[in-house]
Amino acid sequence: NAGVTQTPKFQVLKTGQSMTLQCAQDMNHEYMSWYRQDPGMGLRLIHYSVGAGITDQGEVPNGYNVSRSTTEDFPLRLLSAAPSQTSVYFCASSTGTSVAGELFFGEGSRLTVL
Amino acid sequence: GNSVTQMEGPVTLSEEAFLTINCTYTATGYPSLFWYVQYPGEGLQLLLKATKADDKGSNKGFEATYRKETTSFHLEKGSVQVSDSAVYFCALSEYGNKLVFGAGTILRVKS
Repeated sequence: NAGVTQTPKFQVLKTGQSMTLQCAQDMNHEYMSWYRQDPGMGLRLIHYSVGAGITDQGEVPNGYNVSRSTTEDFPLRLLSAAPSQTSVYFCASSTGTSVAGELFFGEGSRLTVL
Repeated sequence: GNSVTQMEGPVTLSEEAFLTINCTYTATGYPSLFWYVQYPGEGLQLLLKATKADDKGSNKGFEATYRKETTSFHLEKGSVQVSDSAVYFCALSEYGNKLVFGAGTILRVKS
């Protein structure tokens, strides 16, 4: 029972490099989202999607891109990494879109930008 | 905008002690309220939720009541165990699954 799978779990980048964090879910959830977790700030929403082909910005979208070509996958791209993007990133999915349901989280991806 | 404020931690308790973690919120409408728990090295898991005023959410001995008059959703447990050691997040949603999270409260339970 895989649930939400994130890769990689750990990554170190140099400033200016680009990379993609992968997220896949096998629960046929319409809603998927990316959060970043920083000490003392809780989780902040980066981008979200309510279905294949539909994405929208969250609270802190700058420096990140997303796409949703299938229901299962929702990759997060860092275009030109900056030290301010050092964080733990969580992907989450849920059934439904207009009513708040339970968010199912991946185990997180810890990114360090030097 | 919407926001959630939680009591700062860490909170350190002895086993079987009573737990309260305070949570207050600011919202323009009538949000749904949640408590999520994060165990070491894992993602967050839903602990309980309440969708309207005076609702009580409960799970695994934890409970929280949606208090509209005080805009609060405090988490309580009568007798904590070492296995309850984790980070607890209060969150709200006014529409759909766009949750706004508090900063999190670390709970440490000593045997």
